[in-house]
Amino acid sequence: KQEVTQIPAALSVPEGENLVLNCSFTDSAIYNLQWFRQDPGKGLTSLLLIQSSQREQTSGRLNASLDKSSGRSTLYIAASQPGDSATYLCAVKTNQAGTALIFGKGTTLSVSS
Amino acid sequence: DTGVSQDPRHKITKRGQNVTFRCDPISEHNRLYWYRQTLGQGPEFLTYFQNEAQLEKSRLLSDRFSAERPKGSFSTLEIQRTEQGDSAMYLCASITLDSGNTIYFGEGSWLTVV
Repeated sequence: KQEVTQIPAALSVPEGENLVLNCSFTDSAIYNLQWFRQDPGKGLTSLLLIQSSQREQTSGRLNASLDKSSGRSTLYIAASQPGDSATYLCAVKTNQAGTALIFGKGTTLSVSS
Repeated sequence: DTGVSQDPRHKITKRGQNVTFRCDPISEHNRLYWYRQTLGQGPEFLTYFQNEAQLEKSRLLSDRFSAERPKGSFSTLEIQRTEQGDSAMYLCASITLDSGNTIYFGEGSWLTVV
């Protein structure tokens, strides 16, 4: 059974710092991996999607990497801003069919000004 | 394209009552998902539709839960005889393969059972 773990559960940093959020999964046979952002009481917004054949994806100040063999992904946020404060969720999809995403519990990030 | 819409956003109900949530996916998205999320947890899969066909149901979806997508457009999730443990946010999401596998979530429907 696929399990997704995110460490740390919470993180507080001052504005301007670069930071890394970690995600690990137990079964390396994944179809893709996505990182989401969730603001309090809101839905999820997809940030980056990495296909199983890819090693990384970048969008603006965000960079996500994928190492299938070790069952790990990282989300790197450069030059953090108070507006980055949110919960970041990692999710894996195990095949191309409709099988749902399996989520971690998330990392809650707080960036202070 | 106004995104995935969910209604109501908040619902408070007494234990034992029935509640229904509605989801309007992005138009022409053929796949629609329902998830449940409790505080401090990631979303958990409940059920999934491709067009009007319900193709997969989680073991979390007890017989008190029923979901429909009658015309392959909007979907409803009904919970009968609500229990306090049903208190959660119910999220709807939609996707089409043409979107590069990017899934779009609604803002969620918060349920509080008192």
